[in-house]
Amino acid sequence: EAQVTQNPRYLITVTGKKLTVTCSQNMNHEYMSWYRQDPGLGLRQIYYSMNVEVTDKGDVPEGYKVSRKEKRNFPLILESPSPNQTSLYFCASSQDRGPLHFGNGTRLTVT
Amino acid sequence: SQELEQSPQSLIVQEGKNLTINCTSSKTLYGLYWYKQKYGEGLIFLMMLQKGGEEKSHEKITAKLDEKKQQSSLHITASQPSHAGIYLCGATKASGTYKYIFGTGTRLKVLA
Repeated sequence: EAQVTQNPRYLITVTGKKLTVTCSQNMNHEYMSWYRQDPGLGLRQIYYSMNVEVTDKGDVPEGYKVSRKEKRNFPLILESPSPNQTSLYFCASSQDRGPLHFGNGTRLTVT
Repeated sequence: SQELEQSPQSLIVQEGKNLTINCTSSKTLYGLYWYKQKYGEGLIFLMMLQKGGEEKSHEKITAKLDEKKQQSSLHITASQPSHAGIYLCGATKASGTYKYIFGTGTRLKVLA
């Protein structure tokens, strides 16, 4: 089944403790991206990647890192999480400017 | 301001009623996508529109893109409780970088 898989679904952590949210797609898509969704602010792009080893900042990249060493994987790294990074995160992928396919989301709480 | 303006922000309808959600851009779009999201869950792709004047339907949901490719509507006929959720429009712009933009969503509640 074609899908984007994110893990974990839920994560509670403390300020400053490094964490990684994994994202994997099995559709051989070149484009992958990360979004955060907050009430009243909608979906905001954090980082995106056009292809392997090519990543670029989105609208809200501060406090986040990404890497794209393989086509299928695009992990999101929070080196030192802070409470303002508490949010619902989505990974997505697409091909040829087609529709984005989203993962099920990761709800992150930073205390 | 949002690059994609979506209206209304929320909608409560009685089961069986029709409803329309609108999505407007000030710039010509390359592609327009409609998604549905159940509260706190992932976004499910509904339909993609690319050509001016295009109209697509799936079950009781119809989406249209105007000739200028700047405005889209999503129409639900004879709404059911299963239609409840958040509807988001997303788009890629006709020129410029390969970037997706999104509306802020319409929260739909259907009363049984």
